[in-house]
Amino acid sequence: EVQLVQSGAEVKKPGESLKISCKGSGYSFTSYWIGWVRQMPGKGLEWMGIIYPGDSDTRYSPSFQGQVTISADKSISTAYLQWSSLKASDTAMYYCARHLDEFDYWGQGTLVTVSS
Amino acid sequence: DIVMTQTPLSSPVTLGQPASISCRSSQSLVHSDGNTYLSWLQQRPGQPPRLLIYKISNRFSGVPDRFSGSGAGTDFTLKISRVEAEDVGVYYCMQATHPALTFGGGTKVEIK
Repeated sequence: EVQLVQSGAEVKKPGESLKISCKGSGYSFTSYWIGWVRQMPGKGLEWMGIIYPGDSDTRYSPSFQGQVTISADKSISTAYLQWSSLKASDTAMYYCARHLDEFDYWGQGTLVTVSS
Repeated sequence: DIVMTQTPLSSPVTLGQPASISCRSSQSLVHSDGNTYLSWLQQRPGQPPRLLIYKISNRFSGVPDRFSGSGAGTDFTLKISRVEAEDVGVYYCMQATHPALTFGGGTKVEIK
């Protein structure tokens, strides 16, 4: 069974750093892209970027380029999304999803709350 | 970036009746390999999105056959033949033909 399990909810202050994770199982982790999607409170889905764990090829949405870093550790089948300095506007639910030609399996989401 | 425009924003439907959602892209979604990477996702309240339809009209594993997708080029449609209570949620189209993946704004399906 394909599963993507994300790390738990986070509460951070503005200016703090954060790295959230997404662990894949039940399939060949290095053979599919993993994407990250933001959903701000009460809003729609926004594609942030995508990584191919097989060779770490990474693509970013222009809207998120320079704002976040996507990485992966194929030895533990885990992808990451990180911020170096959080802002209040980063408060959102973040989903990872497996991608080949479409996002077919999704993680349960990680809620990130940034508040002073 | 490709803009995906969904209509309507909201669709109140009577149980057992059909529902239809439209998605229009700002450019053709036909890839150079001949495929059209247009998919539909369902997000029930409090849940992560779930893939329903991929490459315009292919139902994903476990998706009931009351869901169907159609269209070509820049115009696509998701149809629910008979809406059930469990179909309440927000539906998104998404394109993966062009390098910057984009989602439609979402259509909320609710029961009248």
